[in-house]
Order: sequence, then C-alpha cells, then structure tokens
Amino acid sequence: AQKVTQAQTEISVVEKEDVTLDCVYETRDTTYYLFWYKQPPSGELVFLIRRNSFDEQNEISGRYSWNFQKSTSSFNFTITASQVVDSAVYFCALKGGAGGTSYGKLTFGQGTILTVHP
Amino acid sequence: GAVVSQHPSRVICKSGTSVKIECRSLDFQATTMFWYRQFPKKSLMLMATSNEGSKATYEQGVEKDKFLINHASLTLSTLTVTSAHPEDSSFYICSADRTVDEQYFGPGTRLTVT
Repeated sequence: AQKVTQAQTEISVVEKEDVTLDCVYETRDTTYYLFWYKQPPSGELVFLIRRNSFDEQNEISGRYSWNFQKSTSSFNFTITASQVVDSAVYFCALKGGAGGTSYGKLTFGQGTILTVHP
Repeated sequence: GAVVSQHPSRVICKSGTSVKIECRSLDFQATTMFWYRQFPKKSLMLMATSNEGSKATYEQGVEKDKFLINHASLTLSTLTVTSAHPEDSSFYICSADRTVDEQYFGPGTRLTVT
C-alpha cells in the first residue's frame, strides 16, 4: 500500500520568508511518480511538478524548488521569498507505476495549509 | 494543456434526491478516470476508478450502489449520488489520465444536500 505523509498541518510565515513543505512517502513499487499540487480557496488543483522515481535531479522553477531524496523517501518543496499569493493548501501525491500493485492510483498526503502574511 | 471539465460546479439538492456529476476530458481520450472526494480541510480520498466500457472499481468503504459511476465514452465519466443525504455533502473532483504519469483534474463540484 502507498502512503504519503505531510507532517506539517499548517505553516504561517511572513512575506519574503523562505518556507519548506515536507513530504515523506512509502511505496513498495520500483517505479512511481511524485507530484505537488496547490489548492487555492477556489478548490481547483494546480499542478506544480511531477517527478519519476528514476529521476532524483532536483528542480528549480522561479521561486519554487524541489528536493527529491530517494534514500529518505522524501520529496520536499521550498518556496523562496514567499508572497501572499502563495497562501493555499499544498498537497504532495504519489502514483504507482507500471508493474506495481498501486499502478495508476494517486495517493495524496494530508495537505499543508500555508498562510503568508503581509 | 489538457483540460478536464466538470459540471455542475455547484449543486444544492434536497435529501433523498439523486445528483449526477459529469466529468469530461476535452482534448484527449481517457480510458481511465478517477473520482475523489474531499471534506473541508481534509485531503482528497480516491473513491473509485472509472474504466471506459467496463465496471468501475471502488475503493474500500465506498458504497457502489450509493455512488454510481458510468464511463460510457472515452471522454465522459459520470458520478451519480443516489438518494443523497446531508452527509454526502462534499467537494467531488474527477481526474483523467492522459498517460500513467500525466493526470488532469477537473475544477471540482461542490455538493450541498439540505
């Protein structure tokens, strides 16, 4: 069975601070995919990044960066110089790949509510 | 990019009535779609996997007679909440897989049962 843990339920920061959202996952699949989504108050999920289990290269996109560490089963997300518009719920998710017992199924973490104060 | 639509975006219904929610993939064919449910301030929970041309696969604890899923074409899956009750009030989100690692989510449907 798959499991995704986002231990931080809520984080509150002041604008321009850096913030890291933690994500730890469990899976028995050899091939799997990791995702981060942003959910603003409207409810619509906004795709942020996708990583497959064979690609541990970290990624930076503007103020966003992701650190994938297979050795610790973690896929952490950092927002640099946070802004009020970053306030939302952030979900980490795991999907099983071909040949695995959880093929195609997406498992979400509990979500982290990020509030950025002006 | 690929778009998945849901209709309606909001619905209010009376207890005991049935409600149908549509999920459409607008620019690709999806043999597999998924239905999720989200309670306020909670995570998304997978309810069922909708397979085109065959029966849906329900997750443990989800009543298949309560939540009827039909995937009649490669671009449309429907979720019908039958005999809705206030505890069925929730945010329902669908997703469609373009490939195994590429899924697109609908904007969600907020159901309120009075």
